[in-house]
Amino acid sequence: SQQGEEDPQALSIQEGENATMNCSYKTSINNLQWYRQNSGRGLVHLILIRSNEREKHSGRLRVTLDTSKKSSSLLITASRAADTASYFCALQTGANNLFFGTGTRLTVIP
Amino acid sequence: DVKVTQSSRYLVKRTGEKVFLECVQDMDHENMFWYRQDPGLGLRLIYFSYDVKMKEKGDIPEGYSVSREKKERFSLILESASTNQTSMYLCASSLLPGAANTGELFFGEGSRLTVL
Repeated sequence: SQQGEEDPQALSIQEGENATMNCSYKTSINNLQWYRQNSGRGLVHLILIRSNEREKHSGRLRVTLDTSKKSSSLLITASRAADTASYFCALQTGANNLFFGTGTRLTVIP
Repeated sequence: DVKVTQSSRYLVKRTGEKVFLECVQDMDHENMFWYRQDPGLGLRLIYFSYDVKMKEKGDIPEGYSVSREKKERFSLILESASTNQTSMYLCASSLLPGAANTGELFFGEGSRLTVL
């Protein structure tokens, strides 16, 4: 399968805590992207990490990539209630398509 | 900013009806995609197009067709809607991947279709 698999499926934390989501995959990738989806809405691109990169930062987001383990993690620091959403990893394997996982549902409790 | 507009946020149709879902993007992107999203299954690609009048089947094309007559518009057609096509449909667009871009997808707000 070319899909990523997110873990955990659901995560509930208190506001101010850090949230970590993981993505494992089985294929070779050109890059790995993380998207966010608010309930009932479209997906929004958050951050991309290329296969030759190990870590990237964007604001409160930190993404790591370990190609030897075929895994990535997304860390959201100092979470806010507005971070409540589903988060998806997406694999770009060389074609024009992205392969999405089933997502992690994050709930941040105020 | 890139804008991807889906014509209808909510539709209710009857079994056997022909359904058109329209998607327009305003950033001259080559690629356009149609996904469906169902609980527990994530996003599954139905069709994509990398140029006008070009289309490629995705993972679940059965029961669907598409049309891309103009670069900015990509239509999804359900020739004879069935109840198992009740779903959230998401349109997306992107530039062709290359050194200067990454193939990041820009999504519309989605069209929730219910087939009775």
